[in-house]
Amino acid sequence: SQQGEEDPQALSIQEGENATMNCSYKTSINNLQWYRQNSGRGLVHLILIRSNEREKHSGRLRVTLDTSKKSSSLLITASRAADTASYFCATVRMDSSYKLIFGSGTRLLVRP
Amino acid sequence: DVKVTQSSRYLVKRTGEKVFLECVQDMDHENMFWYRQDPGLGLRLIYFSYDVKMKEKGDIPEGYSVSREKKERFSLILESASTNQTSMYLCASSLGTGAMNTEAFFGQGTRLTVV
Repeated sequence: SQQGEEDPQALSIQEGENATMNCSYKTSINNLQWYRQNSGRGLVHLILIRSNEREKHSGRLRVTLDTSKKSSSLLITASRAADTASYFCATVRMDSSYKLIFGSGTRLLVRP
Repeated sequence: DVKVTQSSRYLVKRTGEKVFLECVQDMDHENMFWYRQDPGLGLRLIYFSYDVKMKEKGDIPEGYSVSREKKERFSLILESASTNQTSMYLCASSLGTGAMNTEAFFGQGTRLTVV
């Protein structure tokens, strides 16, 4: 079963606006990761946040993690047309398996 | 530069055929993964390997098997391909169990069509 569920499923914004995507998960995690996928291609890692961290930044990306609510958000500031892609959260569960489990993704369209 | 290579970008196979999807990584990673991706369903884990000859089932292993005879190579096998296995297949690798907080690197994907 899916561990993470992203919200919204699709998001359309104007270039220059901020984009916020949310991820909820079910079980305790070791860390949560965000990935990006351009159409028909493999995924590229964006950022990782550990379970003992609450916020992390990387360039125009800001990730928050609330383990009490089992949720995370990805904020892309000052979006560009090139940010158009699908974004996925993935979790490593707090058990011995170290499996990386993905959600269903958010499709982001940034209009020029 | 790190690299995960999947042997084919596109494959067309007939129902009932035995299909092999190959994945090779050059990063000396312990962990390797096979996912399938279908519209609206995201990536679903088929199998996971954390060492040579070691494997664990993911969420949807039915109809699939895997082989990891060498550290750098992880093969996904469709024992008897069916049309409901038409999908995009993605391979990934990451550092081992002593380094959980690490990213996964993905191949470019194999789009398999079973007719």
